[in-house]
Amino acid sequence: AQSVTQLGSHVSVSEGALVLLRCNYSSSVPPYLFWYVQYPNQGLQLLLKYTTGATLVKGINGFEAEFKKSETSFHLTKPSAHMSDAAEYFCAVSDPGNQFYFGTGTSLTVIP
Amino acid sequence: ETGVTQSPTHLIKTRGQQVTLRCSSQSGHNTVSWYQQALGQGPQFIFQYYREEENGRGNFPPRFSGLQFPNYSSELNVNALELDDSALYLCASSLAVTGELFFGEGSRLTVL
Repeated sequence: AQSVTQLGSHVSVSEGALVLLRCNYSSSVPPYLFWYVQYPNQGLQLLLKYTTGATLVKGINGFEAEFKKSETSFHLTKPSAHMSDAAEYFCAVSDPGNQFYFGTGTSLTVIP
Repeated sequence: ETGVTQSPTHLIKTRGQQVTLRCSSQSGHNTVSWYQQALGQGPQFIFQYYREEENGRGNFPPRFSGLQFPNYSSELNVNALELDDSALYLCASSLAVTGELFFGEGSRLTVL
């Protein structure tokens, strides 16, 4: 069975500081992993995904994530936070039938 | 390229009523999935349609039903509405059963 745990429902960082959002997964098969961002009153937008191959994945808006099988983690990072990064972030794992299992989300606040 | 569009964007119903939500998938996508996102939660998988057939279902009762049409658009129907059905309903389309999900902006349902 697949599941996702996001540690920290709220994260605050100063503008220009490192962003680190944590995600741990459980999967009975080699996982496909995703990070999505959701702005208020909008749908979800894909930031990045890991399927196979290189374990460090680069996404849009300067975000990247590293798949660590030994730690069952897929943490999202960005070297320097911008005000426009304030949003809700969701980590997800998909099963072979393409059913996605989402975490409960992490709300990122960027302090000027 | 037209993205995923959903209608209506907002609606209010009372307990016991029925509701139909609509989704037009992204051009060329043959798979549609529906997710329920309660306030402060991650999206929960309702079901998926592939080539007009249900192709996977989450832990939702039978009063949640759907359709997919030959043009790959889709409907979500909910009968006998309950207060707990109040949520953002997200439609996502993908190119195949095992593909990245592209989300619409959602239909926000309030049940009074």
